[in-house]
Amino acid sequence: DQQVKQNSPSLSVQEGRISILNCDYTNSMFDYFLWYKKYPAEGPTFLISISSIKDKNEDGRFTVFLNKSAKHLSLHIVPSQPGDSAVYFCAATLGKIIFGKGTRLHILP
Amino acid sequence: EAGVAQSPRYKIIEKRQSVAFWCNPISGHATLYWYQQILGQGPKLLIQFQNNGVVDDSQLPKDRFSAERLKGVDSTLKIQPAKLEDSAVYLCASSLAGQSMNTEAFFGQGTRLTVV
Repeated sequence: DQQVKQNSPSLSVQEGRISILNCDYTNSMFDYFLWYKKYPAEGPTFLISISSIKDKNEDGRFTVFLNKSAKHLSLHIVPSQPGDSAVYFCAATLGKIIFGKGTRLHILP
Repeated sequence: EAGVAQSPRYKIIEKRQSVAFWCNPISGHATLYWYQQILGQGPKLLIQFQNNGVVDDSQLPKDRFSAERLKGVDSTLKIQPAKLEDSAVYLCASSLAGQSMNTEAFFGQGTRLTVV
C-alpha cells in the first residue's frame, strides 16, 4: 500500500529550464512533507520541506508547492543545473518518514 | 559536525549466513532509523528508535532481522539467516526530533548488501 507515490520514474530537463517533480499522497493526516536528493553510492540528503499548514516554501532555486485538497505536492527547480542530476525522493511524516519510489532527474546540457 | 557513520560500506554473503551492520548517529540525535532500500524503490523503514526504545518496528521481519540501540547511541542491525531478497542498501538515519517529526533526518552512506 503506497501512501506516497511518485509516478514518474525519470525526467529529463534542459539545463537552465525549470524541473518539476511531482508527488501524490493518500493519507490526509501527514503533517510534514520533505524532498530528499540522492546521488549514486551516497545516502539521501535533505533538500527542502513544507508543513501541512503551508502551501509554498522556497529556498533558493528550490520551491515546494503543496495542494492539500488534491493531496499533491511538487518540487520546482529553477534554473536547473547539471549538479541537479540525481534521484529525488518525496517523503511524508506521521510519526515516521514514508518515502516514495523516487524520480531520476537528468539535466541535459 | 560529523555525519551519520555506517559500516561496512559493502558486504557480500551467501544465503543462510548472518550479517551485522553498525551505525553511529549524529551526536545528540535522539531518534535513529534503519531503512532498507531495494534497487528501484524508495527507502522502507525497518525500525525506529527513540533513545534506546523502539518506536516502530512494524515492518521489521522479526523472524530474521533484529536491531538494538544500547545506551541510546550506536545501533546494530542483524540479519540471520540472510535470504536472496535481503539484497539491498541498508540506510541508517538520525534526527533531533521525537515523534513530532518536524525536523529532517540525516542519512549515512548506507551498507550495500549482496546475498548470493
